[in-house]
Amino acid sequence: QLQLQESGPGLVKSSETLSLTCTVSGGSISSGSYHWGWIRQPPGKGLAWIGAISNSGNTYYSPSLKSRVTISVDTSKNQFSLKLRSVTAADAAVYYCARRQYGDGFDPWGQGTLVTVSS
Amino acid sequence: DIQMTQSPSTLSASVGDRVTITCRASQSISSWLAWYQQKPGKAPKLLIQKASNLKSGVPSTFSGSGSGTEFTLTISSLQPDDFATYYCQQYDSDPLTFGGGTKVEIK
Repeated sequence: QLQLQESGPGLVKSSETLSLTCTVSGGSISSGSYHWGWIRQPPGKGLAWIGAISNSGNTYYSPSLKSRVTISVDTSKNQFSLKLRSVTAADAAVYYCARRQYGDGFDPWGQGTLVTVSS
Repeated sequence: DIQMTQSPSTLSASVGDRVTITCRASQSISSWLAWYQQKPGKAPKLLIQKASNLKSGVPSTFSGSGSGTEFTLTISSLQPDDFATYYCQQYDSDPLTFGGGTKVEIK
């Protein structure tokens, strides 16, 4: 059974870079035709797609975050990562990683990790 | 961007009630729509994809319908475990977008 787990600092200073990693277990990140994505949810608010990376290394980003986001994959570690530069209080959220196959929804999801931004 | 609008934002219902949630897209997304259930402090859980395909293991009391711009999620008989927030999400085109959510509360 495929499982995803987010990891990274829970506190980031304003103007610095948020870095998170999603570790995939129970299957290879290289197999199949999947998109490995990041979604965030500010406290008490709805879900927002950040972006994704495909098995072939193609990246897809939300236009609103594109200038600050990089998503990368490390197949040797079965992980993919998110970097969000120049964070502000508006970037405070629970960050989820998830897998999506073409034509399907996001499944499974990681449990999520809360990132707080300090001034 | 394709805007997804859910209604209502909050719904009060009793166990055994039939519940319907609507999701409207700002342009046609064919059937490229998913529904998720989220409980407090937990990750969303995929219920339905391609507008009407129930994910394996999801109770048959859940169903989805619609195409184009209007979609519905129906719970035929609300169970205690179903009190949660529900989100629709389009995956017709990037950026992928979610509806604002519908919270199903105990009446």
